[in-house]
Amino acid sequence: EAGVVQSPRYKIIEKKQPVAFWCNPISGHNTLYWYRQNLGQGPELLIRYENEEAVDDSQLPKDRFSAERLKGVDSTLKIQPAELGDSAVYLCASKGWRGGEETQYFGPGTRLLVL
Amino acid sequence: SQELEQSPQSLIVQEGKNLTINCTSSKTLYGLYWYKQKYGEGLIFLMMLQKGGEEKSHEKITAKLDEKKQQSSLHITASQPSHAGIYLCGATLSGAGSYQLTFGKGTKLSVIP
Repeated sequence: EAGVVQSPRYKIIEKKQPVAFWCNPISGHNTLYWYRQNLGQGPELLIRYENEEAVDDSQLPKDRFSAERLKGVDSTLKIQPAELGDSAVYLCASKGWRGGEETQYFGPGTRLLVL
Repeated sequence: SQELEQSPQSLIVQEGKNLTINCTSSKTLYGLYWYKQKYGEGLIFLMMLQKGGEEKSHEKITAKLDEKKQQSSLHITASQPSHAGIYLCGATLSGAGSYQLTFGKGTKLSVIP
């Protein structure tokens, strides 16, 4: 079974530039999450999707961040314009069952550096 | 303040030694998840605990959830270099959505051959 796929793996941009991250969840997983992980911290939820609907975006800084999951499968997270403080790892996860347990499966993340 | 506190923050052990990592919550835990993360990689699911007193094992890793459901421990027996990485606990907490995971800051484990 293929895992959660994210691209790009690394991105370096100058501040004020736009950037986008892409995620393809595990096939059949309806729930998709975007997290941000700062250095030395645990992941923090940005947004949760159930199919194509964003059901929890309370932690998403809406002035510069946007996300979409148009067909309820893959998703894009965008930052425009990027700020220095946005440097972090952006993780995508999807929720599903394995061995009788429901849990979140994470992609490898996109490491963003804003200069 | 942090809702999930992990201790220690970092740990260096000799190969073959046992170790324990703790995760303490300020709220009742409805579900407790342990993940492992290596640098530059995503989180790898280890195990999930839901019931007070529950204990699960996978290979040399054992996780327990205390009876009051506010603390979990992860124990590694006879550590190996392959166990090195950052161990993160995540939890669904009372007062938060059942689908929302709150994470601790992680415990960085180094195993010296």
